[in-house]
Amino acid sequence: AQKITQTQPGMFVQEKEAVTLDCTYDTSDPSYGLFWYKQPSSGEMIFLIYQGSYDQQNATEGRYSLNFQKARKSANLVISASQLGDSAMYFCAIYTGNQFYFGTGTSLTVIP
Amino acid sequence: DVKVTQSSRYLVKRTGEKVFLECVQDMDHENMFWYRQDPGLGLRLIYFSYDVKMKEKGDIPEGYSVSREKKERFSLILESASTNQTSMYLCASEKHLDRAEGIQYFGAGTRLSVL
Repeated sequence: AQKITQTQPGMFVQEKEAVTLDCTYDTSDPSYGLFWYKQPSSGEMIFLIYQGSYDQQNATEGRYSLNFQKARKSANLVISASQLGDSAMYFCAIYTGNQFYFGTGTSLTVIP
Repeated sequence: DVKVTQSSRYLVKRTGEKVFLECVQDMDHENMFWYRQDPGLGLRLIYFSYDVKMKEKGDIPEGYSVSREKKERFSLILESASTNQTSMYLCASEKHLDRAEGIQYFGAGTRLSVL
């Protein structure tokens, strides 16, 4: 079974608007970590934000926030005030069972 | 800042060649990883290492081997390259903390084409 599911292969957003990238996960471990990475066309994977399974509050890092709904096993990334430089592939990942698992990614395009 | 450096951005090799992909990190991280990335498949773990001279198979180790003789360097080896190993290869390193909080830092990737 897929550990991480990203159902949106491609997304478009108008510059300065907010966008939500979906991520659902599958684990029976009580302790796990959720991560989002950005991969621009240059290829490097850039860490964006982390959410621990026991964290009570949703993680935030600047314009990035993670909408963590534990009961629904979802960890959606919200990007506020989109910028042209946000155009990239975005990967959701989970650490569980002593291993990292990545989703298949969502391609985000920011339209001027 | 953590720096993970992969020796080549692009490589073109012929079928049957032995290929070395090198990765060096400068933050004294214990854990290092090799992934391959293919469209529609995301990142798949090939091998990882928790310490010098230690290695563990990931999800797709067939056709690959690794070497970790020094803490900062983790090499991926294709003993006899095949066309189905044409892919983007990503190296990552991670501090050995509680692994549920371990952030992986990635190199820029090596795009390998096997002809």
